[in-house]
Order: sequence, then structure tokens, then C-alpha cells
Amino acid sequence: ILNVEQSPQSLHVQEGDSTNFTCSFPSSNFYALHWYRWETAKSPEALFVMTLNGDEKKKGRISATLNTKEGYSYLYIKGSQPEDSATYLCAFGGYTGTASKLTFGTGTRLQVTL
Amino acid sequence: NAGVTQTPKFQVLKTGQSMTLQCAQDMNHNSMYWYRQDPGMGLRLIYYSASEGTTDKGEVPNGYNVSRLNKREFSLRLESAAPSQTSVYFCASSRDILAGANVLTFGAGSRLTVL
Repeated sequence: ILNVEQSPQSLHVQEGDSTNFTCSFPSSNFYALHWYRWETAKSPEALFVMTLNGDEKKKGRISATLNTKEGYSYLYIKGSQPEDSATYLCAFGGYTGTASKLTFGTGTRLQVTL
Repeated sequence: NAGVTQTPKFQVLKTGQSMTLQCAQDMNHNSMYWYRQDPGMGLRLIYYSASEGTTDKGEVPNGYNVSRLNKREFSLRLESAAPSQTSVYFCASSRDILAGANVLTFGAGSRLTVL
């Protein structure tokens, strides 16, 4: 069983704060790292797929970095807004490189208040 | 643009009853998946279909069966429901099976309670 850990489990920030959280995964046999955003009562939505060590991806105020050698990825949100409130999931893809082998973390739950 | 549609959204079953969760995608994706979401755990793969005509077991397949009816549709069947199958089920699809090239598109989820 692969260990994909996300920290913190939950986070409560004020509107306008910048924040970041971590996804830790095995540093061997890396193939891909996915980030998803999951709002309550909705379905998870893809943010990023990263495959190369040192990858940086950006989507609006959200960005992510990847370090495959040490086995972690950071997700950053700049100037948090209430609409950023959601659970952020990462998923590690290793070994075969197929999506059937994605291992999901339990998520970081972000709440942004006014 | 519907994406991934799954039905029903909610279902209550008694132990031993059977039911089928339906999933359809309109994105011409080749690969489809069924996950379950339980408190304190990450999404776990039940079964998947890499392409039309193929199905394979995921991490937690016991007690389930699947059918890839055509390229669009992938159903999950509980033959004899057990309380341990109380969960939220998500169907997902991707262009193909490669994790590095494709993200998953998820349905809205089906909350199943087995009494």
C-alpha cells in the first residue's frame, strides 16, 4: 500500500491570506502527480497534472510545484477568497504509469472566511 | 456539456438487496473508473475499464461487478449489498489510461446506504 499524505488535514484562513499545503508521496517509481479541487456536494475537478521534477504549474491564483526526488508537491493559493473553500486532493501515480494505479491522499480541507 | 453523469444520487438498500449504479460520459473518453469514498480515507478504486471491451479489478473489488456496456457507459453492480458497502461512489473517466497525460473527470457521486 502506497503512502500518500496530505498536510495539514484542515486549514482555516482569512480572505486575502496566502496559504500552502503539502502532498507527500513515495520518491521512487514516480510517474505523475495530480491535484484536484473538491467543493462540498460537487465532484472533484482537476487542477494540475505534473510529471517532471521541478515542474511548476499555475492556474489563476493557484500554483503547484513538484519535487520528485524528495517526494513532495506544494499547492499554493495566493490571496485566498471564500470561493477557494474546498478540499484539495492529490493523487500519486507510480510504477505502471496508469491512472488505474493512482493513489489518492485524504485531502486538505480549506475554509476561507471574510 | 454534461461530462460524467451517474445515477442514482442517493439510494438506501437493505442487506442482501442488489442494485446497479449507472455512469455515462459524453467526452468520448476511452477509460472509465469506479471509486468509493469513505470517511478518513482517500478515494479507492473499485474497478476500471481501460478501453471499451475491457474491465479490471482495482484496489477494493470484492462484492462488486462491472459492465462496460459501450464506450459511453460503465455500470457498477452490487449483487448482495452489505453494510460495509455504505459509501459514496464516484464514477470517473479519462481520455486514456495514462496517468501522466490525462486527468480524471468525475461524476457528482452516488450516496449509498446499506441497512
